[in-house]
Amino acid sequence: SAVISQKPSRDICQRGTSLTIQCQVDSQVTMMFWYRQQPGQSLTLIATANQGSEATYESGFVIDKFPISRPNLTFSTLTVSNMSPEDSSIYLCSVTTPGLQETQYFGPGTRLLVL
Amino acid sequence: ILNVEQSPQSLHVQEGDSTNFTCSFPSSNFYALHWYRWETAKSPEALFVMTLNGDEKKKGRISATLNTKEGYSYLYIKGSQPEDSATYLCATPTGNQFYFGTGTSLTVIP
Repeated sequence: SAVISQKPSRDICQRGTSLTIQCQVDSQVTMMFWYRQQPGQSLTLIATANQGSEATYESGFVIDKFPISRPNLTFSTLTVSNMSPEDSSIYLCSVTTPGLQETQYFGPGTRLLVL
Repeated sequence: ILNVEQSPQSLHVQEGDSTNFTCSFPSSNFYALHWYRWETAKSPEALFVMTLNGDEKKKGRISATLNTKEGYSYLYIKGSQPEDSATYLCATPTGNQFYFGTGTSLTVIP
């Protein structure tokens, strides 16, 4: 298993500003992911954070809006840039442990409200 | 994009009642079905990983079944307790990506 912490746990931000969310894992992991859950929606994958290279973004998400860093195998950041009220969501990082029955472990999430 | 659906969206039950809810997923190219419990202000917690048609998994008062041919899984909670109140998510992986349902929000009323 993996223990994941996220900072901040919640924030209220003004539109047009940016927020950086940090994710720390207690062990080295290969795969780290960033998700968001907008109100009433499914958990949606934003990107896979790759150590030592650019993140891999899913359709509908771009680097300019959601820049991601992954400086080592235990840490990643997600920035939500130039925020608008539509960015109000819960943002979660997760890691995957390898194996036949691969399981995702999640951080506690960052609850973001954009005014 | 895989379409994973959960029903009902929300559920209120009395303490002691048993309940169940459904996860539907595409039956083609099935690999696995995951159930998570997500309590407010906590991390989603993995409950079960199910891979075989007819699988049944149990953890305390919670159990799950899987039908890969028709593409659904049921989650059952026997004798619901207030601490069972949470959102229950199902997800199915394809490649490196997990596709999640919107969840069933369960509230157990003391």
